Amino acid sequence: KQEVTQIPAALSVPEGENLVLNCSFTDSAIYNLQWFRQDPGKGLTSLLLIQSSQREQTSGRLNASLDKSSGRSTLYIAASQPGDSATYLCAVSPAGTYKYIFGTGTRLKVLA
Amino acid sequence: GAGVSQSPSNKVTEKGKDVELRCDPISGHTALYWYRQSLGQGLEFLIYFQGNSAPDKSGLPSDRFSAERTGGSVSTLTIQRTQQEDSAVYLCASSLVALAGVNSYEQYFGPGTRLTVT
Repeated sequence: KQEVTQIPAALSVPEGENLVLNCSFTDSAIYNLQWFRQDPGKGLTSLLLIQSSQREQTSGRLNASLDKSSGRSTLYIAASQPGDSATYLCAVSPAGTYKYIFGTGTRLKVLA
Repeated sequence: GAGVSQSPSNKVTEKGKDVELRCDPISGHTALYWYRQSLGQGLEFLIYFQGNSAPDKSGLPSDRFSAERTGGSVSTLTIQRTQQEDSAVYLCASSLVALAGVNSYEQYFGPGTRLTVT
């Protein structure tokens, strides 16, 4: 059974810091891994999608990497800003299914 | 509309009543997913539709839950005889395509319906 874990559960950093959020999954047979952010009381906003054949994706200040063999993904946020404060979720779609299995999230607070 | 829309945004119902939640996916997206987000349970998959194929209902928690997708577009999630443990945010997502043997495409989420059962 696929399980997804995110560490840390919560993180508070001063503005301008570079930071790394971690996601690990127990079964390396996946189709995709997708990172989302969720603001309080809101839905999910897609950040980056990494397909199983890819190693990383970049969008602006965000970079996500995928190491399927070790069951890990990292989301790197450069030069963090207060507007980055949100909960970050990773989700994997196990090979053979199309549903997402979500991690429990990392709650990020960037202090001005 | 440019994104996935859901209605109502909030629903308060009495225990034992039936509720219907609606999802309008992004135009042209053939795959539609329902998820539930509740305190202590995180975000969990409920059901998935792809085109005319039989839906994957493996995440539905009980037979009180059902969903349909009419005309390959709009979907309705129905909860019968609601219980207090059904209180959660119900999220709908759609993706362009998800085919066997091919990497799934990016899922786009709606704002959710917050269901409160009193």
